[in-house]
Amino acid sequence: DIQLTQSPTFLSASVGDRVTITCRASQGISNYLAWYQQKPGRAPKLLIYAASTLQSGVPSRFSGSGSGTEFTLTVSSLQPEDFATYYCQQLNSYPRFTFGGGTKVEIK
Amino acid sequence: EAQLVESGGGLVQPGASLRLSCAASGFTLRSYAMNWVRQAPGKGLEWISYISSTSVTIYYADSVKGRFTISRDDVRNSLYLQMNSLRDEDTAVYYCARDRGTYKLGGFDIWGQGTMVTVSS
Repeated sequence: DIQLTQSPTFLSASVGDRVTITCRASQGISNYLAWYQQKPGRAPKLLIYAASTLQSGVPSRFSGSGSGTEFTLTVSSLQPEDFATYYCQQLNSYPRFTFGGGTKVEIK
Repeated sequence: EAQLVESGGGLVQPGASLRLSCAASGFTLRSYAMNWVRQAPGKGLEWISYISSTSVTIYYADSVKGRFTISRDDVRNSLYLQMNSLRDEDTAVYYCARDRGTYKLGGFDIWGQGTMVTVSS
């Protein structure tokens, strides 16, 4: 099974900061990776698919990159509404999916 | 607007059964593969089951295989999860989620609000 390891698990940042979250796969998964944002008590929201393609309606301050085993999600200028938990998901073993453990972004 | 609404959660004892429903609106369910994802309290996301648009292909996570059954009724525009032999560790919020439909380049683009299942004696 493909494992996904996110780092850091917890991140404290200020409004306006540039934030980067990493997701590492236990084996190569090409660009078959998605990113989600989840706020407390809410369902996850798809941000990025195919490692770097922004889902419709998602602000352009979000970007994704990577291929193979290492991927990053970057928020160029953190906004108050971006404080949430972020998850990566591998689709390489479609339709058996795996999520990363999550990265919680909190206000410094 | 495309929307998914889950129902059927509740408090049950270990060993009991429960059937979750997921009602789709704003889009044609039969055109999409669907999934169930769960989240234990304070924990991360766990994918548990997939059903293709034609119901021909069905997969389960090892944690629920043999106990849970996914199905769909495209006439009723609904997805289901029959959960048998429930265990304490099945306690979670259960989400249904739509597959974007672009195979490995997809992701889950529409999610329900979730329904809570609590397994406890």
